[in-house]
Amino acid sequence: EAGVTQSPTHLIKTRGQQATLRCSPISGHTSVYWYQQALGLGLQFLLWYDEGEERNRGNFPPRFSGRQFPNYSSELNVNALELEDSALYLCASILTLQGSTEAFFGQGTRLTVV
Amino acid sequence: GDSVTQMEGPVTLSEEAFLTINCTYTATGYPSLFWYVQYPGEGLQLLLKATKADDKGSNKGFEATYRKETTSFHLEKGSVQVSDSAVYFCALRLTGRRALTFGSGTRLQVQP
Repeated sequence: EAGVTQSPTHLIKTRGQQATLRCSPISGHTSVYWYQQALGLGLQFLLWYDEGEERNRGNFPPRFSGRQFPNYSSELNVNALELEDSALYLCASILTLQGSTEAFFGQGTRLTVV
Repeated sequence: GDSVTQMEGPVTLSEEAFLTINCTYTATGYPSLFWYVQYPGEGLQLLLKATKADDKGSNKGFEATYRKETTSFHLEKGSVQVSDSAVYFCALRLTGRRALTFGSGTRLQVQP
């Protein structure tokens, strides 16, 4: 069974540009979470999509947005990139089975803004 | 709000040394607690978890006990190996919610 896949692995953009990051959850998982892992700041919750809808978002400006497609894959879009957006962006899919919830993470997309 | 505090790294140990990585939390309600590990170039993997007070999670020689009285979930291993070098994240999840709240991560470097 394939795990959570993210693309691209690395992305280099210039300040002011837009970045699009993609995530495919594990087959059968309907929830996708996005996290930002900035250097020295740990993991910060960005967005949660479930069944095609945005369910919750973290403390990030509106230029961070995304969507979830009918096949449950997801895109994260970052507009008007700033240097401090440079980070590893991790996607996780969540499975709840018999009351136990597990999170499975992709390898991440490393975004560098220059 | 809910939060997780971990000891700052990096933690540098010699092979076969004893490891403790401290983790304390603040939460409304009764969270489940987790340790995730991130090896170089990889995503996060669940290492162990505990869902209620006094539970002990264990995996790959690592252990952590859910201490409600001290709101802690310290990670321990009796004898670390070079292959344990990674970043370790403590996390919590409130009952009925699926989002995880993570600590800042602690980098462990094990030297031969």
